[in-house]
Amino acid sequence: EPEVTQTPSHQVTQMGQEVILRCVPISNHLYFYWYRQILGQKVEFLVSFYNNEISEKSEIFDDQFSVERPDGSNFTLKIRSTKLEDSAMYFCASSDQGNTEAFFGQGTRLTVV
Amino acid sequence: AQSVTQLGSHVSVSEGALVLLRCNYSSSVPPYLFWYVQYPNQGLQLLLKYTSAATLVKGINGFEAEFKKSETSFHLTKPSAHMSDAAEYFCAVSTYNFNKFYFGSGTKLNVKP
Repeated sequence: EPEVTQTPSHQVTQMGQEVILRCVPISNHLYFYWYRQILGQKVEFLVSFYNNEISEKSEIFDDQFSVERPDGSNFTLKIRSTKLEDSAMYFCASSDQGNTEAFFGQGTRLTVV
Repeated sequence: AQSVTQLGSHVSVSEGALVLLRCNYSSSVPPYLFWYVQYPNQGLQLLLKYTSAATLVKGINGFEAEFKKSETSFHLTKPSAHMSDAAEYFCAVSTYNFNKFYFGSGTKLNVKP
């Protein structure tokens, strides 16, 4: 069964460093998303991406964050100058042309120390 | 604007007992509603979804949910809990364009032997 894959599963980084979280969406999907879940809190929308551009972003998604689809298969989230409060589980998701369901990856647990 | 409220951050039931997880939504447009399950250290898996067809929706693992517009609710039920149902459950709402999902804060289900 097709699935969304995320790498790495765990990432530890020092405060101030840049991290790139990687996602491979399901191959025929057209809509891509990043969500995050701070420990003990709800899953929060960060950004949606369609047709090679951001279609919507939340107030969390400030200039520190960027997304890219560098090739036909990967979808990345870059966090510049990480802060302690960026520690969270980051989920990538994708959906197809009908866009009736989002398929989520296993998540990347980011720990900023 | 859309939002979701899940009553009860923790629910504990005995094996074989009825499972009832509550979800109320707020939406300015006809909503699409979802229940996701998250097992420890795993991603979000879709249990079921309501997309304006039948109001009683059946999902995987014996779960079902009923959309009640008058009560703005989409409670998740299962007649008989199994130990393997222990997980965290998230209710989510989206709009017709599925551009993003709004998640509730989650309910952790504990199943006692």
